[in-house]
Amino acid sequence: DTEVTQTPKHLVMGMTNKKSLKCEQHMGHRAMYWYKQKAKKPPELMFVYSYEKLSINESVPSRFSPECPNSSLLNLHLHALQPEDSALYLCASSQPSSSYNSPLHFGNGTRLTVT
Amino acid sequence: GQSLEQPSEVTAVEGAIVQINCTYQTSGFYGLSWYQQHDGGAPTFLSYNALDGLEETGRFSSFLSRSDSYGYLLLQELQMKDSASYFCAPMDSSYKLIFGSGTRLLVRP
Repeated sequence: DTEVTQTPKHLVMGMTNKKSLKCEQHMGHRAMYWYKQKAKKPPELMFVYSYEKLSINESVPSRFSPECPNSSLLNLHLHALQPEDSALYLCASSQPSSSYNSPLHFGNGTRLTVT
Repeated sequence: GQSLEQPSEVTAVEGAIVQINCTYQTSGFYGLSWYQQHDGGAPTFLSYNALDGLEETGRFSSFLSRSDSYGYLLLQELQMKDSASYFCAPMDSSYKLIFGSGTRLLVRP
């Protein structure tokens, strides 16, 4: 069990669908992250929110749209995805990124398949 | 540019000691973290080194040499449950955690 909860665990969507991934943490962390992980590859950073403001966007295509409604919640809105976007999407949280030694706490991820 | 190198795979027997090396090149550097990920699971934090030297946490230790841009994770008294992927992850000057390609550790009986 992790302290970062992601829903849904699995998601299958067509290329014309709109869906959202959700992430929640109640550890009082003020930095939240989206990572994408392909099979047998390392997690790749997509977005970072610090104090509910987007601080890093790693040149992610606009078909991925993050949202941080409050300090506990992080969403990733998906629209017009491609089959190559199929991956494990991991949410993580930590103390603000300026706390160098603050570890990231990861959720178990959403396994996304785009058909 | 940024680069990270760690071995792709390591095999060891139960009870043994294994060392996973990591060399890095980043735009600025604040420290080096290590994460463990079991198949189908989430990455979990193992250790962090900001300063040169050895940090010990139970059976796991991590070492950093900033001048050599090098670190390693040392796993002692290996257990079957230690079979997993291990990622080194330096933090660069923009506070981004960059994951290495990962080392797959297989522990055999």
